[in-house]
Amino acid sequence: DTGVSQDPRHKITKRGQNVTFRCDPISEHNRLYWYRQTLGQGPEFLTYFQNEAQLEKSRLLSDRFSAERPKGSFSTLEIQRTEQGDSAMYLCASSHTETSGSRVDEQFFGPGTRLTVL
Amino acid sequence: SQQGEEDPQALSIQEGENATMNCSYKTSINNLQWYRQNSGRGLVHLILIRSNEREKHSGRLRVTLDTSKKSSSLLITASRAADTASYFCATDARNSGGYQKVTFGTGTKLQVIP
Repeated sequence: DTGVSQDPRHKITKRGQNVTFRCDPISEHNRLYWYRQTLGQGPEFLTYFQNEAQLEKSRLLSDRFSAERPKGSFSTLEIQRTEQGDSAMYLCASSHTETSGSRVDEQFFGPGTRLTVL
Repeated sequence: SQQGEEDPQALSIQEGENATMNCSYKTSINNLQWYRQNSGRGLVHLILIRSNEREKHSGRLRVTLDTSKKSSSLLITASRAADTASYFCATDARNSGGYQKVTFGTGTKLQVIP
């Protein structure tokens, strides 16, 4: 399967703990996105990378959140000192775009990581 | 904030009928995408329509885009029970810094009754 994969699929943690999620995009895709989705809502953009460069971060991404894509391939999203409000589905997506960024193709999503903070 | 607003929020139809969902947005876009999401699952890409296109087809799906009205519609013809899912539109634009900005709508929950 050459789609987007995410690990773990489910994570239950206690408030105050740190958690880290991993996303492996489709190999030839140069853009990688993180979203958060709560029940009954559409995904909310968190951040995205072009290759290893983090180009944009949402204001939703507080200082407790950090994302990396060190080699331009897989990415990690870390949440420090988790709060109950962080409980959500965290979705990763990847896409291909021309270097100039003038044409962006569709995003392919992974299955998501469901985080529950107790 | 959600740029896209889908209408209706929920839709229930009989198998074989057509389903139409609408999406309105507020700013200029590069493209608009429609996704399907089954309960508790990831999103599946359906169709991407660029700002210079007015209509696209894919199988039983037909998408229109009216940039003057800042709206799009997704038509599913001859619906099947397996089409039961939530459908989201997502607009792809550039923010004030020139970076890509993807904004999802609130979704339409479609139920197709066998």
